[in-house]
Amino acid sequence: GEDVEQSLFLSVREGDSSVINCTYTDSSSTYLYWYKQEPGAGLQLLTYIFSNMDMKQDQRLTVLLNKKDKHLSLRIADTQTGDSAIYFCAERTSGTYKYIFGTGTRLKVLA
Amino acid sequence: GAGVSQSPSNKVTEKGKDVELRCDPISGHTALYWYRQSLGQGLEFLIYFQGNSAPDKSGLPSDRFSAERTGGSVSTLTIQRTQQEDSAVYLCASSLAPDYEQYFGPGTRLTVT
Repeated sequence: GEDVEQSLFLSVREGDSSVINCTYTDSSSTYLYWYKQEPGAGLQLLTYIFSNMDMKQDQRLTVLLNKKDKHLSLRIADTQTGDSAIYFCAERTSGTYKYIFGTGTRLKVLA
Repeated sequence: GAGVSQSPSNKVTEKGKDVELRCDPISGHTALYWYRQSLGQGLEFLIYFQGNSAPDKSGLPSDRFSAERTGGSVSTLTIQRTQQEDSAVYLCASSLAPDYEQYFGPGTRLTVT
């Protein structure tokens, strides 16, 4: 079945770049998402990318997609303490409503 | 405007008791999802409602779990005879339609003692 995997933890220093990685198995995935979850809150959509794109940039966020390797990454430039949260990768196939989520990566930003 | 709300925010219950978790989606959103988030695991899909269609219950882990959505709006997730392994955060999300962005509620943290 479909599976989405992420490393569990990442620690960076304030001002550095963070790169959060995700791999997925479903080759029919059409949409790939990044969500952020702050403590005690639900998930907030950060950005998404269509599977026919290689890259998407949105302010400090850059999403890279390697469709051949089924690898997705989220780069956060100039990481701030407010970026400390859990980041979830998710995939969905067009025409379906089921999202497959990864385990989440807990990002800790050190001052 | 108002987002997705869930109640209660926290629930502690004894093993064997029944619990009801409530979700108020954003007004006008036809799609509603329930997920379970266990420690160290991703979001596990539980059930999906879309308009007046029959819900997709394929993610419900056992027959102790059930959900309904009244009038296409408020949804209730019921867990009967709770077990310790049911302890988790239960998240609800709604979207305008299936292909649109999901908006998540803050979740209900359920602890079964």
